Amino acid sequence: QQQVKQSPQSLIVQKGGIPIINCAYENTAFDYFPWYQQFPGKGPALLIAIRPDVSEKKEGRFTISFNKSAKQFSLHIMDSQPGDSATYFCAASIGNTDKLIFGTGTRLQVFP
Amino acid sequence: KAGVTQTPRYLIKTRGQQVTLSCSPISGHRSVSWYQQTPGQGLQFLFEYFSETQRNKGNFPGRFSGRQFSNSRSEMNVSTLELGDSALYLCASSPTLGTGYGYTFGSGTRLTVV
Repeated sequence: QQQVKQSPQSLIVQKGGIPIINCAYENTAFDYFPWYQQFPGKGPALLIAIRPDVSEKKEGRFTISFNKSAKQFSLHIMDSQPGDSATYFCAASIGNTDKLIFGTGTRLQVFP
Repeated sequence: KAGVTQTPRYLIKTRGQQVTLSCSPISGHRSVSWYQQTPGQGLQFLFEYFSETQRNKGNFPGRFSGRQFSNSRSEMNVSTLELGDSALYLCASSPTLGTGYGYTFGSGTRLTVV
């Protein structure tokens, strides 16, 4: 119940494409769903986050879509660039705790 | 504004030894948490500290321990190291409990056990 399932494991797109990464969860107590971007040798950096009372959130080229009834959420990267090549993690947490449950990660490669 | 600082960046230890990793949170942040990242298990929560008290603990053996000091700096200790403890250990800090408010990761300490 504490798991967050993420797919696909890897993704290759051309510059300008729209990669989509999907996550699913079981625990309805989760109330915060962030996406993190990680480059080699660095720690994860917060990209965008959403709470379950919102169905969509956009920040720049990044959009989260959230489906509360299906217990699924996804990340869309518009007009992807080679600099977006990184590993992306979805995560979930509950209330006033620092405990993040992470998905398994998606390695994204964007080719020029 | 300085980020989360983890020291050392790299560490090589021998099986059976113990190791201490350090984390200095962002100034003003009072909550610190630790994660282990491996290719096989991904990112797994170790523990979180707030006001020098451990608030939450992940599913790791007792060989993994930590503490937080009055200045919010934190250390984690792993005793009797095993090969499987080789990982990137990440620290994150936030102003208060809750990952939705300025929760920031450091660059990690890469531990290799030989």
